[in-house]
Amino acid sequence: LAKTTQPISMDSYEGQEVNITCSHNNIATNDYITWYQQFPSQGPRFIIQGYKTKVTNEVASLFIPADRKSSTLSLPRVSLSDTAVYYCLVGRDQGGKLIFGQGTELSVKP
Amino acid sequence: DGGITQSPKYLFRKEGQNVTLSCEQNLNHDAMYWYRQDPGQGLRLIYYSQIVNDFQKGDIAEGYSVSREKKESFPLTVTSAQKNPTAFYLCASRGRGEFSYNEQFFGPGTRLTVL
Repeated sequence: LAKTTQPISMDSYEGQEVNITCSHNNIATNDYITWYQQFPSQGPRFIIQGYKTKVTNEVASLFIPADRKSSTLSLPRVSLSDTAVYYCLVGRDQGGKLIFGQGTELSVKP
Repeated sequence: DGGITQSPKYLFRKEGQNVTLSCEQNLNHDAMYWYRQDPGQGLRLIYYSQIVNDFQKGDIAEGYSVSREKKESFPLTVTSAQKNPTAFYLCASRGRGEFSYNEQFFGPGTRLTVL
């Protein structure tokens, strides 16, 4: 399973675009890249998933370069309610083997 | 209204006691998972089940036990053998859709405190 590395914490202000980068140098051919969001004392929530290039949904965009060794989660115009921990995962749920690292703690300030 | 429920939300137990955490889902998902989360840490996999009457150990199964007698239910027992059981416990499930490889749906969690 590919290990991921992402910043421990990030600060931003309301209305700004936030980009969180995750590196996964050992990603396998069949692996997908998935991002989750977790608020304090709640279960994580699936945000977005992609394999290559760009994926966009109503919440975020995911940018994946051609070599797939990194990915960037982009949150447009963040608000205070986007303050949470964001986890980058790489894999294909091989029997439940999703590895949640420490994640990136995003703090959005007014 | 589909989803995953966990009960209770908060649980207190005395040392040496076994305790069972409930997890129920009405999403018709085949796979279910139990994770443990300690303060400031990511999630660690305890047990998972891909199908009824079958389950596998995760990375930290020692001191825990599970059963999967029904598709909807995956209870976790924290036994007295678990050395440090105080933690936040999360249950999740996953469907079998083609593009749902890593999309797990999580319950609200149970916070267990051993007194």
